[in-house]
Amino acid sequence: GAVVSQHPSRVICKSGTSVKIECRSLDFQATTMFWYRQFPKQSLMLMATSNEGSKATYEQGVEKDKFLINHASLTLSTLTVTSAHPEDSSFYICSGWVTRREGTQYFGPGTRLLVL
Amino acid sequence: EDKVVQSPLSLVVHEGDTVTLNCSYEVTNFRSLLWYKQEKKAPTFLFMLTSSGIEKKSGRLSSILDKKELSSILNITATQTGDSAIYLCAVSMNYGGSQGNLIFGKGTKLSVKP
Repeated sequence: GAVVSQHPSRVICKSGTSVKIECRSLDFQATTMFWYRQFPKQSLMLMATSNEGSKATYEQGVEKDKFLINHASLTLSTLTVTSAHPEDSSFYICSGWVTRREGTQYFGPGTRLLVL
Repeated sequence: EDKVVQSPLSLVVHEGDTVTLNCSYEVTNFRSLLWYKQEKKAPTFLFMLTSSGIEKKSGRLSSILDKKELSSILNITATQTGDSAIYLCAVSMNYGGSQGNLIFGKGTKLSVKP
């Protein structure tokens, strides 16, 4: 199956700092990548849809100026949490869409963010 | 409002038991239904279902979609402790520029006791 990597796997930072999370599709080209957030004991919630070479589409309630997404190439999308606060602590997961026809997403291993 | 509902939310069984997990959905422009298994990290893909009545099978796991009833089931036979996980159901839709978005259910937490 298609492989997606994320880096870092976990990060602890101080409140007010910015954190960048990378999502890479290793063996396929992902024209579309998705970013999800998962709080403890809850399901995945879509944050934004990232299309290569264009601006990301954010879900309602997700601040685009706080969660900066860049999808500069077909294999790399980045999520930057700017001025992180403790309430941003969560599990962030990206996924790559293999082909439009299939509609199957393959998930990265996730990044656990803890903001102190 | 588009939604995906899973039941039960949690389930405890013993090794060797057979379990059935349920997923129902109410969405516009349905494209496909997907099942994922989530252990400690990110979900791993199990099945994608697009056609009604066609069972997909992988080892002890199988799944089927009923578009008339807007639902799907995931069966696990002869359960093992390694099957303990959260099983997520998600629906993919077609609409506008957001093709491929997934809406997830809350998941069913399965615990298999030895």
